Amino acid sequence: AQSVTQLGSHVSVSEGALVLLRCNYSSSVPPYLFWYVQYPNQGLQLLLKYTSAATLVKGINGFEAEFKKSETSFHLTKPSAHMSDAAEYFCAILHGGSQGNLIFGKGTKLSVKP
Amino acid sequence: DVKVTQSSRYLVKRTGEKVFLECVQDMDHENMFWYRQDPGLGLRLIYFSYDVKMKEKGDIPEGYSVSREKKERFSLILESASTNQTSMYLCASSLWGVQGGYTFGSGTRLTVV
Repeated sequence: AQSVTQLGSHVSVSEGALVLLRCNYSSSVPPYLFWYVQYPNQGLQLLLKYTSAATLVKGINGFEAEFKKSETSFHLTKPSAHMSDAAEYFCAILHGGSQGNLIFGKGTKLSVKP
Repeated sequence: DVKVTQSSRYLVKRTGEKVFLECVQDMDHENMFWYRQDPGLGLRLIYFSYDVKMKEKGDIPEGYSVSREKKERFSLILESASTNQTSMYLCASSLWGVQGGYTFGSGTRLTVV
């Protein structure tokens, strides 16, 4: 069975600092992995996805994530945080054997200090 | 711009009421999903549908039912609302295989009093 674990329910960084949000996965088949962002009182928006092409995936708003099979990780990074990045971030994995179910992590809330 | 539209952003209902949450997508997506989101618990799948008139239970279907009479519309029904169903409800849709990811609606924050 597939699963994802997000390490840290809250992360706080200063404006301009590196953002690193951690996601580890468990999968018996090559995984499809996703990162979503949720701004307050809104739905989730797709940031980026890994579908077995390039291991370094670039997304919107300057975010990127690197698929590392040896570490079973798909961490989300951004070189320089902006105040507007404050939101909740969710890692997700495609449920193997389904035609479309995603399994979500519990989320990491990112705070950005001025 | 592709859209998933949820009929209400905020809803307040009384215990025991039958509640309908509506979701419409304009992208001709085969798959549609209902999640509830609670602090510390992330997103939990209630029901999903891969086709018209088709429905499958997710992880927490108890107290809920769904209807998909048309491809673009997926309704979530709370048969008899209870206070523990107070939550944020999120609808999403995707193409078959979901490699493109889900598109989410803006959510309905339901309060049951």
